[in-house]
Amino acid sequence: DAGVTQSPTHLIKTRGQHVTLRCSPISGHKSVSWYQQVLGQGPQFIFQYYEKEERGRGNFPDRFSARQFPNYSSELNVNALLLGDSALYLCASSLNRGRGTGELFFGEGSRLTVL
Amino acid sequence: QQQVKQSPQSLIVQKGGISIINCAYENTAFDYFPWYQQFPGKGPALLIAIRPDVSEKKEGRFTISFNKSAKQFSLHIMDSQPGDSATYFCAASKSSGDKLTFGTGTRLAVRP
Repeated sequence: DAGVTQSPTHLIKTRGQHVTLRCSPISGHKSVSWYQQVLGQGPQFIFQYYEKEERGRGNFPDRFSARQFPNYSSELNVNALLLGDSALYLCASSLNRGRGTGELFFGEGSRLTVL
Repeated sequence: QQQVKQSPQSLIVQKGGISIINCAYENTAFDYFPWYQQFPGKGPALLIAIRPDVSEKKEGRFTISFNKSAKQFSLHIMDSQPGDSATYFCAASKSSGDKLTFGTGTRLAVRP
């Protein structure tokens, strides 16, 4: 079975641009979460979506937005990119049915470099 | 505010030795404590997790020890192998969702 897949794997943008990152969860997983991992740090929670509804939001500015589609795939959008947005963006899926923490399965991430 | 503190930042262990990584948390609402292993260029992968109703959990060479009163938990890797060389993250969350709060990571190197 395929794991969590993310695209693109690497991308380079310039300050002020916009980026869209995509994630396909493991088949049967309805919960998708997004994390930002700056080099040398632990992942930081950005968003969680379950059944197409936002279930959690981390301490990130409004430039960050996300959505989940009927097939449970998800997009993370970042507007007006800053140099500090350079990071590995991780998507994770789980069987979380909204009642408890299930095991998170992470993808390999999208490495964003902002110049 | 860093809610999960992890130490050491890096660790070098000889093959066959015991690797110990420690974490401390502040939020008493946390009730799920996983450890993740991350290799370069890969996403984190769940190693082992514990809930506060037990003080220890063992899976193969990996053991979590949990001290609820001290708000601390640790990962022990017995008989450490070069293949264990990776970055390890502790994390914590409330049961209400998938929002994990991660520690800052420990880079483990196991020498042959």
